[in-house]
Amino acid sequence: AQSVTQLDSHVSVSEGTPVLLRCNYSSSYSPSLFWYVQHPNKGLQLLLKYTSAATLVKGINGFEAEFKKSETSFHLTKPSAHMSDAAEYFCVVTASDTGRRALTFGSGTRLQVQP
Amino acid sequence: ETGVTQSPTHLIKTRGQQVTLRCSSQSGHNTVSWYQQALGQGPQFIFQYYREEENGRGNFPPRFSGLQFPNYSSELNVNALELDDSALYLCASSQDRGGVYEQYFGPGTRLTVT
Repeated sequence: AQSVTQLDSHVSVSEGTPVLLRCNYSSSYSPSLFWYVQHPNKGLQLLLKYTSAATLVKGINGFEAEFKKSETSFHLTKPSAHMSDAAEYFCVVTASDTGRRALTFGSGTRLQVQP
Repeated sequence: ETGVTQSPTHLIKTRGQQVTLRCSSQSGHNTVSWYQQALGQGPQFIFQYYREEENGRGNFPPRFSGLQFPNYSSELNVNALELDDSALYLCASSQDRGGVYEQYFGPGTRLTVT
């Protein structure tokens, strides 16, 4: 079994300030973790992925995330927010147990960026 | 390289009707997954197809069914539509090489059941 908890449903930051979106996961197997972003009326875009290589993962648009097994966390960060970062962000876990590799999504964090 | 495409973009149906949604995979991908995203929620896994066989299913009733074709495109069929089936339906394709892989999503089909 696997699950994801996104600790904040809404996060508001000012443009140019750091972004932190928090995610905790639970998995019976070694997990792979992803962050996806969804802009209004658009599909989901992959930001970055962790698949048991380096624990600090760099993604697109300046985002990065750190896998911490001891804390079962995979928080998403960005040093400086841009107005275009305003969107819904989903933390996602998958684990291959019976061969099924379904993605399990968190409930999402809506990021607002104030000018 | 063509991305994942879905049709139609929007659809309005009446309770009790049947609907078919379509998805074309990204070039080179052999696996298709379908997700339902209700308003304000994260996507929920419906099922996955690999080489034309169902490869896993989420907690959805049998009236949700699917097909994958030899060209790896896919259909999602929903019978006896209910009001709660109103949602954004997302298709995702991936290339299964036996390890963990990322899924690439289409723009979705917005289904409204009245």
